[in-house]
Amino acid sequence: EDQVTQSPEALRLQEGESSSLNCSYTVSGLRGLFWYRQDPGKGPEFLFTLYSAGEEKEKERLKATLTKKESFLHITAPKPEDSATYLCAGLGPSNTGKLIFGQGTTLQVKP
Amino acid sequence: DTAVSQTPKYLVTQMGNDKSIKCEQNLGHDTMYWYKQDSKKFLKIMFSYNNKELIINETVPNRFSPKSPDKAHLNLHINSLELGDSAVYFCASSGRGASYEQYFGPGTRLTVT
Repeated sequence: EDQVTQSPEALRLQEGESSSLNCSYTVSGLRGLFWYRQDPGKGPEFLFTLYSAGEEKEKERLKATLTKKESFLHITAPKPEDSATYLCAGLGPSNTGKLIFGQGTTLQVKP
Repeated sequence: DTAVSQTPKYLVTQMGNDKSIKCEQNLGHDTMYWYKQDSKKFLKIMFSYNNKELIINETVPNRFSPKSPDKAHLNLHINSLELGDSAVYFCASSGRGASYEQYFGPGTRLTVT
């Protein structure tokens, strides 16, 4: 069964303390790995799509990387405004666009 | 301009009632989705329509019935509501091509009492 698992479930950082979020996947024929940010009371906001192992994408303090088994979201020198739940999702081989989401990592950055 | 909008934002109702949630997107996308997010924030696909055709129909009670009058609108009707239906329901849309980047609405928080 296709599955996406994120760790840790929750992460507390001090402002400026860099860290990484992990997303492990077992999705047959993975066509893409997606990262989303979700703020409380809002819908997920698209961040990145990674399509092949070795690919990296960056946006401000965030960098996403992909291997054949997992993806990492690296957060460099985070700020309190980076506090949110980060979701990753795998796209399987079908043409339906079905995303399989992980349970998310809730990040809290303290000033 | 809101890209993907949902109404209502909050819905509180009693067990056994029937309710509907509406979704509209102005992104020109061909595919729309309904997701359910439980209290642990786990997001799970329920349905998807591509150009008014149902293409994803997950294991969901048949009390849930989606309808897409056109490719910009996707509604979700729920019959005989149960306590376990309480959750946040998100609508999303994606455009053509292989990217499948999905853009989500603000969600509808459904509370069944």
